[in-house]
Amino acid sequence: QVQLVESGGGVVQPGRSLRLSCAASGFTFGSYGIHWVRQAPGKGLEWVAVISNDGVNQYYADSVKGRFSISRDNSKKTLSLKMNSLRAEDTAVYYCAKEVGYCSGGSCRLAFDYWGQGTLVTVSP
Amino acid sequence: SYVLTQPPSVSVAPGQTARITCGGNNIGTKSVHWYQQRPGQAPVLVVYDDTDRPSGIPERFSGSNSVNTATLTITRVEAGDEADYYCQVWDKSSDHVFGGGTKLTVL
Repeated sequence: QVQLVESGGGVVQPGRSLRLSCAASGFTFGSYGIHWVRQAPGKGLEWVAVISNDGVNQYYADSVKGRFSISRDNSKKTLSLKMNSLRAEDTAVYYCAKEVGYCSGGSCRLAFDYWGQGTLVTVSP
Repeated sequence: SYVLTQPPSVSVAPGQTARITCGGNNIGTKSVHWYQQRPGQAPVLVVYDDTDRPSGIPERFSGSNSVNTATLTITRVEAGDEADYYCQVWDKSSDHVFGGGTKLTVL
């Protein structure tokens, strides 16, 4: 069965860095884009970043652009999120999520069909 | 940026029908997906591409999408349906957008 397992969360001071990982199993990892979605305590879901199946293309939410970097290793079936210059507002549970669907003609029909259990990142002095 | 608007809460008695709306400008031209999130758990996809259900999701869950409003309908509501529900779309200018979420309370 499909499994996504995040790790690397913890408490970090503002301005410092942290790297999250996501280990995948149960599907052909190299065939799918994978996303990071976060949820601040008591708040809703916020999309963070995506990396294409081959790792060539990455896209980021404006709130993290220039500070976060997403990468993947298809041989190890792992995804990473390097978070730099962390701020208090980055405090959240971070989920990795597998995408399903397609893009065509400049439009996309993409949903997140499997999610990990999440890892908590707390940015605090 | 593209905005999706959901009611903060919806309440329904067991056995009745719950309808959760998701408003957005011309949302009828987009593909809408719905997620259920129980407390302390990760989200689960319950409806995708406006009306389709992933395997394992009961037929009680259905979706529709027209003009400026998409709707998630849950018939014969059960206590186990109590959760937060989020709509989501892809938008060319905003990438992936989630609604603010709706807390479904089963009375």
